[in-house]
Amino acid sequence: QKEVEQNSGPLSVPEGAIASLNCTYSDRGSQSFFWYRQYSGKSPELIMSIYSNGDKEDGRFTAQLNKASQYVSLLIRDSQPSDSATYLCAVPGNSGYALNFGKGTSLLVTP
Amino acid sequence: EAGVAQSPRYKIIEKRQSVAFWCNPISGHATLYWYQQILGQGPKLLIQFQNNGVVDDSQLPKDRFSAERLKGVDSTLKIQPAKLEDSAVYLCASSWGQETQYFGPGTRLLVL
Repeated sequence: QKEVEQNSGPLSVPEGAIASLNCTYSDRGSQSFFWYRQYSGKSPELIMSIYSNGDKEDGRFTAQLNKASQYVSLLIRDSQPSDSATYLCAVPGNSGYALNFGKGTSLLVTP
Repeated sequence: EAGVAQSPRYKIIEKRQSVAFWCNPISGHATLYWYQQILGQGPKLLIQFQNNGVVDDSQLPKDRFSAERLKGVDSTLKIQPAKLEDSAVYLCASSWGQETQYFGPGTRLLVL
């Protein structure tokens, strides 16, 4: 089983600050990594995917991957109260398609 | 494009009863997944279908859970008999191969 570890939080940041969410994974052979956002009572939605070492930016979101350290992070710049949600890190499992999720990090952005 | 449809949205049953959930994936998506999400945890895969064949059911409690996707389109997940620890949200997702998985709204199950 490919394990994914996340700090459950909650992580509290003031509006306008940078939120930094972290994730570690157990399988050194993992090739792709996903960040999902899940609002309370809703289903997960994909916000970022990353496959190569380094940074990938999409609007206010930046995913960072360090395969040597088996570490992937998500930065949210100019955090807004609407970013308050649980952020789930995921890697493909043994079948290559289905995802193994971490427990998620709860983010609270305070006005 | 219509999203993943699931029904019912909520279900309350007593332990030892049976329950069934239905999922209709996005049109054209060959891969369908059922995940179980217990409160405070991330989703956990129960079963993955490719068309109407099972790819991975290693985490499905087969003594009480069953799932089928007979025509390679919609799918049904059944629990019989239910236990208290089955209380969770059951999420159906679909994808075109290894591409992005799209999740349905989920079915919230409470077992009393």
